[in-house]
Amino acid sequence: SQKIEQNSEALNIQEGKTATLTCNYTNYSPAYLQWYRQDPGRGPVFLLLIRENEKEKRKERLKVTFDTTLKQSLFHITASQPADSATYLCALDNFNKFYFGSGTKLNVKP
Amino acid sequence: DAGVIQSPRHEVTEMGQEVTLRCKPISGHNSLFWYRQTMMRGLELLIYFNNNVPIDDSGMPEDRFSAKMPNASFSTLKIQPSEPRDSAVYFCASSPRDRFNQPQHFGDGTRLSIL
Repeated sequence: SQKIEQNSEALNIQEGKTATLTCNYTNYSPAYLQWYRQDPGRGPVFLLLIRENEKEKRKERLKVTFDTTLKQSLFHITASQPADSATYLCALDNFNKFYFGSGTKLNVKP
Repeated sequence: DAGVIQSPRHEVTEMGQEVTLRCKPISGHNSLFWYRQTMMRGLELLIYFNNNVPIDDSGMPEDRFSAKMPNASFSTLKIQPSEPRDSAVYFCASSPRDRFNQPQHFGDGTRLSIL
């Protein structure tokens, strides 16, 4: 089955800096990879979807890259703000199943 | 616009009792997903439906778990009998079409505690 690895340690950065989160996967490369944000006590909220034939996708201050050779996706938040503090989850499909990573907690300090 | 609505938000019950979790997906969405989230295992897909039909229930942990979708606007996840290890947050999500290339819209979950 697919295994997804996200850094379990929290990422602490200063406001205004760029946050970069990593999602690594094993085995079969997915056709699609998604990123979600989750706040405490809330359900995940969809942010971005990238297809296997896309190298990069942007939305406002967010950027996602997808490298099928490295089996890795990077998620960037530029000009980070304290309001960006949350847990970020990557998710992907694999043979008609859907898997989420365990998430990385981002803390943006003012 | 109303999002995915789950009830109850919190449930505390004793071991052996039947538990029923409810979900109302976003109107017009064809796919519905049930997930369970724990610290140890993260977010796991239990079962998903397309057009009210269960497609894959291989994530359902045991026969004590069952899910139904009697119509396009309602689904239930039932645990009978419940056990302490079932304690978790259960999420329902819906998406517009029947593939995983669609964003999933999550409810705020039911926090279940089995004593």
